Amino acid sequence: EDKVVQSPLSLVVHEGDTVTLNCSYEVTNFRSLLWYKQEKKAPTFLFMLTSSGIEKKSGRLSSILDKKELSSILNITATQTGDSAIYLCAVEAAGAQKLVFGQGTRLTINP
Amino acid sequence: DADVTQTPRNRITKTGKRIMLECSQTKGHDRMYWYRQDPGLGLRLIYYSFDVKDINKGEISDGYSVSRQAQAKFSLSLESAIPNQTALYFCATSDWGYRGGTDTQYFGPGTRLTVL
Repeated sequence: EDKVVQSPLSLVVHEGDTVTLNCSYEVTNFRSLLWYKQEKKAPTFLFMLTSSGIEKKSGRLSSILDKKELSSILNITATQTGDSAIYLCAVEAAGAQKLVFGQGTRLTINP
Repeated sequence: DADVTQTPRNRITKTGKRIMLECSQTKGHDRMYWYRQDPGLGLRLIYYSFDVKDINKGEISDGYSVSRQAQAKFSLSLESAIPNQTALYFCATSDWGYRGGTDTQYFGPGTRLTVL
């Protein structure tokens, strides 16, 4: 059974800190790993990582895929209160044509 | 206007009632999904549809049914609602296949359903 596990489940830091969120997976025939940010309601897409694109960066956010360790990290530097959200990791298996989501990490940035 | 819309946004109902949640999209995607989200459990897939004639069960389809009325519309029904179906429900669409087979999903705003 395909499985995605995120850690920590909850994290509270101060504005300006750097955070690292983890996602590990057990998937048959891995195709891609996606990160989403969920603020108030709907998740919004952040990054997609595949075998041909194992590192992505956008502003203060960056993500790396480690196919050997079957995991990914999402880094946020110089955090701001607007980064407070639930961060979701999802994995797509080739042939499955659907995403399996982790439980999410609730990140709280205090001013 | 939002690309993916859901109605209603909030609903309170009683045990045993039939409930329909509706989803519409203007993105022109063939693929549509229904998820439920519960605290600590992330998003779990209920049903998904690759086109109007192709509907598939997800990991937690028991107690739910769906209808794909058109490419743009995908409805989720609870035939006889029970309290443990209280959750936040999301509809999503996907452009899988449009760019060579990788899946980016676009979510609606969610429907908060409470079953008393």
